[in-house]
Amino acid sequence: IVLTQSPGTLSLSAGERATLSCRASQSVSMNYVAWYQQKRGQAPRLLIYGASSRATGIPDRFSGSGSGTDFALTISRLEPEDFAVYYCLQYGSSVRTFGQGTKVEMK
Amino acid sequence: EVQLLESGGGLVQPGGSLRLSCAASGFTFSDCAMSWVRLMPGKGLEWVTGISGSGISTYYADSVKGRFTISRDNSRNTLYVQMNSLTVEDTAIYYCVKDPLFSYTRGFFEYWGRGTLVSVSS
Repeated sequence: IVLTQSPGTLSLSAGERATLSCRASQSVSMNYVAWYQQKRGQAPRLLIYGASSRATGIPDRFSGSGSGTDFALTISRLEPEDFAVYYCLQYGSSVRTFGQGTKVEMK
Repeated sequence: EVQLLESGGGLVQPGGSLRLSCAASGFTFSDCAMSWVRLMPGKGLEWVTGISGSGISTYYADSVKGRFTISRDNSRNTLYVQMNSLTVEDTAIYYCVKDPLFSYTRGFFEYWGRGTLVSVSS
């Protein structure tokens, strides 16, 4: 399954709302989609699993939605620490695949 | 606290081999499937290989099938990947990653190590 994320780069200011898209080439079994945040020089951090369940310790400004082939990650109000690269992952098959990433940068 | 500590990275010539290790602590290692995921320079994340909690079931990306072998020693709480016939395209930071489930299918990447750098160059 190929995942396509859009946009490639999102230029926003702190306090704004960010909506990131992840589209799959075929339906993802059981909506098994996760989202990760990665900052430069750090390991990725799990944000969302099962399309919409927040991982432990993740602030509620992060939310996931979607089903089938179309998924989204929304950050309701960007905080300075949220500027990073975000990846979606599908784990509905034993061959797990990532999207190519969306960079959220400061405008 | 879950801790995953990778080691074994370094500089290797094309065609060479390397074995990465990951020492796990803070959870019952044998209860969890594990994976290796890499971040290639200037590119995104790529899942490389995964293994069930028992070690019986293994899975590989097409890009490494036949060259990489994943294994685990549950008595030592350690995950391994043997990487042979390395090419410059294998240059990346390699992360050891923990799943939340015993079975590899239906699991996802829950906790990540800090990574170890593998550079393949002549």
